Amino acid sequence: EAGVVQSPRYKIIEKKQPVAFWCNPISGHNTLYWYLQNLGQGPELLIRYENEEAVDDSQLPKDRFSAERLKGVDSTLKIQPAELGDSAVYLCASSPDRGSYNEQFFGPGTRLTVL
Amino acid sequence: AQSVAQPEDQVNVAEGNPLTVKCTYSVSGNPYLFWYVQYPNRGLQFLLKYITGDNLVKGSYGFEAEFNKSQTSFHLKKPSALVSDSALYVCAQGSRSYSTLTFGKGTMLLVSP
Repeated sequence: EAGVVQSPRYKIIEKKQPVAFWCNPISGHNTLYWYLQNLGQGPELLIRYENEEAVDDSQLPKDRFSAERLKGVDSTLKIQPAELGDSAVYLCASSPDRGSYNEQFFGPGTRLTVL
Repeated sequence: AQSVAQPEDQVNVAEGNPLTVKCTYSVSGNPYLFWYVQYPNRGLQFLLKYITGDNLVKGSYGFEAEFNKSQTSFHLKKPSALVSDSALYVCAQGSRSYSTLTFGKGTMLLVSP
């Protein structure tokens, strides 16, 4: 079984530039999460999808961040414009359904460096 | 609101010695508790979880964790540490009232030869 796929693995951009991250969850997983992880810290939820619906985006900085999961499968997270403080690892995870008793399966992450 | 505390930023242990990584949680009702491990440049990998039942949960790679409701703790343990266990360990909690997990800040485990 293929795991959660993310691309790119690394991205270096200059501040004020746009950037996009892509995630393909495990087949059949309805719930998809985007997290932000700073060095040596645990993940912080940015947005959670149930199928194509964003059901929890309270932590997403909506002035510059956006996300979509149009067909309820893969998802894209975008930052425009990027700021220096956005440098972090962006993790995507999926689970079979929305219950928090489910383990989440994580992708390898995209490490973003904003110069 | 849920919160998870991992009081130690780093734990150092010699190979072959037992290890403990601490986690305390804060949620009313019955929590769902998880441990994940993260190796450098990798995503988080599931180790074990407590949902209900036996307080001692066994997981991958010889790790186990004990759920203690009176102390609101879910400490991760292993009888004999390996150098290859060196990684970031992250505790997380959920509950029936919350559809998302709350993660701790993580504890870096360093096992010396």
